[in-house]
Amino acid sequence: SAVISQKPSRDICQRGTSLTIQCQVDSQVTMMFWYRQQPGQSLTLIATANQGSEATYESGFVIDKFPISRPNLTFSTLTVSNMSPEDSSIYLCSVEDGQRTYNEQFFGPGTRLTVL
Amino acid sequence: GENVEQHPSTLSVQEGDSAVIKCTYSDSASNYFPWYKQELGKGPQLIIDIRSNVGEKKDQRIAVTLNKTAKHFSLHITETQPEDSAVYFCAATSYDKVIFGPGTSLSVIP
Repeated sequence: SAVISQKPSRDICQRGTSLTIQCQVDSQVTMMFWYRQQPGQSLTLIATANQGSEATYESGFVIDKFPISRPNLTFSTLTVSNMSPEDSSIYLCSVEDGQRTYNEQFFGPGTRLTVL
Repeated sequence: GENVEQHPSTLSVQEGDSAVIKCTYSDSASNYFPWYKQELGKGPQLIIDIRSNVGEKKDQRIAVTLNKTAKHFSLHITETQPEDSAVYFCAATSYDKVIFGPGTSLSVIP
């Protein structure tokens, strides 16, 4: 399976500021995803990021708040904009293994964000 | 859309005993059911999965069963060890969307 890294691993930010999270994969992948995991909760899909096209956002998430870049097949960024304490969560990127028939997803280690 | 329920929310077992986590899903079109293990401070790790054309799959101490008619699937861990302590998430995939259950926090007591 793909090896996925995220930067930063954690951060503490002031409200009103923005943070950009990076996701790097050790192999080329078509599908990359960004999830949010609020404290003690399950995973919620924010958006799907495909190279060469605009990200597709899930209901409740908008591009102005969570802009995403996908410049190539091994890298993506998620920005959390104009942060508030409610944005305190773990943000996870995942990739889909395109070699397989079904949608196996593999996750990065996550970015733990605290907004004061 | 798909909805995945998971029970129990917390589970505590003695080391060496078995643990069972059950999930139900709502969309009959779902055809792939992965299970993830998330240890504290880490991302979810895919531990086993099952396709809709299979009723059971086993990998060492871990097994998963699927009942498509009843729309439920279960994770079975035998001979539990302290390192099995983690949060486990089931998921169902329908039309390229992966929907996760709310999670089960498993504690294995030495």
